[in-house]
Amino acid sequence: GQQLNQSPQSMFIQEGEDVSMNCTSSSIFNTWLWYKQEPGEGPVLLIALYKAGELTSNGRLTAQFGITRKDSFLNISASIPSDVGIYFCAGRRYGGSQGNLIFGKGTKLSVKP
Amino acid sequence: EAGVTQFPSHSVIEKGQTVTLRCDPISGHDNLYWYRRVMGKEIKFLLHFVKESKQDESGMPNNRFLAERTGGTYSTLKVQPAELEDSGVYFCASSQGTENEKLFFGSGTQLSVL
Repeated sequence: GQQLNQSPQSMFIQEGEDVSMNCTSSSIFNTWLWYKQEPGEGPVLLIALYKAGELTSNGRLTAQFGITRKDSFLNISASIPSDVGIYFCAGRRYGGSQGNLIFGKGTKLSVKP
Repeated sequence: EAGVTQFPSHSVIEKGQTVTLRCDPISGHDNLYWYRRVMGKEIKFLLHFVKESKQDESGMPNNRFLAERTGGTYSTLKVQPAELEDSGVYFCASSQGTENEKLFFGSGTQLSVL
């Protein structure tokens, strides 16, 4: 079945460092989403991207919808301890139903104070 | 306003038993979705309700899984009989239903089949 390749799988960084993670797909998506999951909670939407080339920021987070429509990245600047969690990319295929999202396996972020 | 709530938060059962998970979506949300994450793997779509109707059930693994949403409010997901590979976290999400509408996820039910 359809898969997203999300990397890296995990990251251990120092507080204040910048973080970058990305997702690639073998097929074209019309929507890219980035979620964060904290322990004991469900995924929470961070950023939604709807157009190829779109670059969107949410505070210290910036994400881009790749020009090829097959990839997306998420950057976190000046990381802080509360950034800890698992970050998931998700995409929606052309013709796919509203909620039939394809998720990556997640990037586990650990931030050392 | 209450978010998406799921019950139970954890369930430990033996292989062959039956388990029923419940999801209460955000009030007024017509769309309800079930997802599952098996440990270490990606979150996978199971199915999508619009009100009480199944809009897309292409992700349901097999006929041991039965999802219902009688009356278009809360939903249940029953696994009968449970197998070891059914272990994982089952997430429910809801949305109002307009195009590109944001999905709100519940905290999930951690199911362990022993």
